[in-house]
Amino acid sequence: SQQGEEDPQALSIQEGENATMNCSYKTSINNLQWYRQNSGRGLVHLILIRSNEREKHSGRLRVTLDTSKKSSSLLITASRAADTASYFCAIFLSSGGGADGLTFGKGTHLIIQP
Amino acid sequence: DGGITQSPKYLFRKEGQNVTLSCEQNLNHDAMYWYRQDPGQGLRLIYYSQIVNDFQKGDIAEGYSVSREKKESFPLTVTSAQKNPTAFYLCASSIMGQPQHFGDGTRLSIL
Repeated sequence: SQQGEEDPQALSIQEGENATMNCSYKTSINNLQWYRQNSGRGLVHLILIRSNEREKHSGRLRVTLDTSKKSSSLLITASRAADTASYFCAIFLSSGGGADGLTFGKGTHLIIQP
Repeated sequence: DGGITQSPKYLFRKEGQNVTLSCEQNLNHDAMYWYRQDPGQGLRLIYYSQIVNDFQKGDIAEGYSVSREKKESFPLTVTSAQKNPTAFYLCASSIMGQPQHFGDGTRLSIL
């Protein structure tokens, strides 16, 4: 499968702690994107990191990309109850007639305990 | 406000019945997509369209059909040939290669 695979599948932490989730993939990519999904809602884009970038920040979010290991991580610092959601990585392929959208992993379900 | 609207939010299908899910966007995006999400799973691509009057099958197109007569609209029909249609359906749009914007989904159930 070309899809990204998140790890862990589920994560429960205390409010204020940092949360780290990982994504691994198997093929060359153009970019990798992280999305959040609240229960029963659509996905919301968080960060896009291109294959020639190693790290990006957005507020309390930090994403790293290691193309040699074909892996990415999403770090949420100082977690809040509102961060409770499922987080998905999605890969956009470099080639192969790639107009077929993103390929999503199964997600990490994050629970922030108050 | 620009965005993507899916309707209805909940839909029920009887055996042997076709149902159509609506997806409208006012973001002026060329590309639109339909995904299926089963409980605890990621998204699987059903169909996508890069331009009006053109669309392509995704990974799980069997039992589904689409049309793209207008840039703003990309309706999905779940036909009676789809034997396991119960799922959460998500529509998205984008400029190719850029992040996708999602609607809030339609939850389809079987009566």
